[in-house]
Amino acid sequence: GNSVTQMEGPVTLSEEAFLTINCTYTATGYPSLFWYVQYPGEGLQLLLKATKADDKGSNKGFEATYRKETTSFHLEKGSVQVSDSAVYFCALRSNSGYSTLTFGKGTMLLVSP
Amino acid sequence: GAVVSQHPSRVICKSGTSVKIECRSLDFQATTMFWYRQFPKQSLMLMATSNEGSKATYEQGVEKDKFLINHASLTLSTLTVTSAHPEDSSFYICSATTGAPNSPLHFGNGTRLTVT
Repeated sequence: GNSVTQMEGPVTLSEEAFLTINCTYTATGYPSLFWYVQYPGEGLQLLLKATKADDKGSNKGFEATYRKETTSFHLEKGSVQVSDSAVYFCALRSNSGYSTLTFGKGTMLLVSP
Repeated sequence: GAVVSQHPSRVICKSGTSVKIECRSLDFQATTMFWYRQFPKQSLMLMATSNEGSKATYEQGVEKDKFLINHASLTLSTLTVTSAHPEDSSFYICSATTGAPNSPLHFGNGTRLTVT
């Protein structure tokens, strides 16, 4: 079955530091890959996505590249801000059209001033 | 963009009572809605999939008689936690999609349920 593995947190960084949150996946076929962000007490917001190999998703300074050869979709940001503090979920979705998302366990990011 | 409204955002209830959570798609027709549960510091666990006009499909280990799901219209699905107990306290999130191939999932903001 499908599964997503992401690095455990919390990840603690100082403002303006470089961020990497690792994500690898197991799936049959060619899934779409997503990063979602959850701020405290809120639901999930789509951060970025990629639907095929070598695609790069990007949004708000975050980016991730769909690497089929390493089955990875690592999230990166060159300079984090305090406001980026949240929980980040890596997820995949089979391209069957009617399936839901399979989520990783989430990685908490804490950015200090 | 597409919006999913989930209500209430927070609810506190006494043990033994039932609580209904609503999930509405505001500007699209949601053929399929998904209900998730999130435990503290953990990921989202899919509870059930509901298709408009059909009975919900529950994931293994989820009690269908305890978590009643109704999807009577293309814009509304409800999750009722019946005879709630403290262990049902959790964060419940819905998501909705039109059901077209590769259509995006839109998430509600979640409901924090606390059972005392």
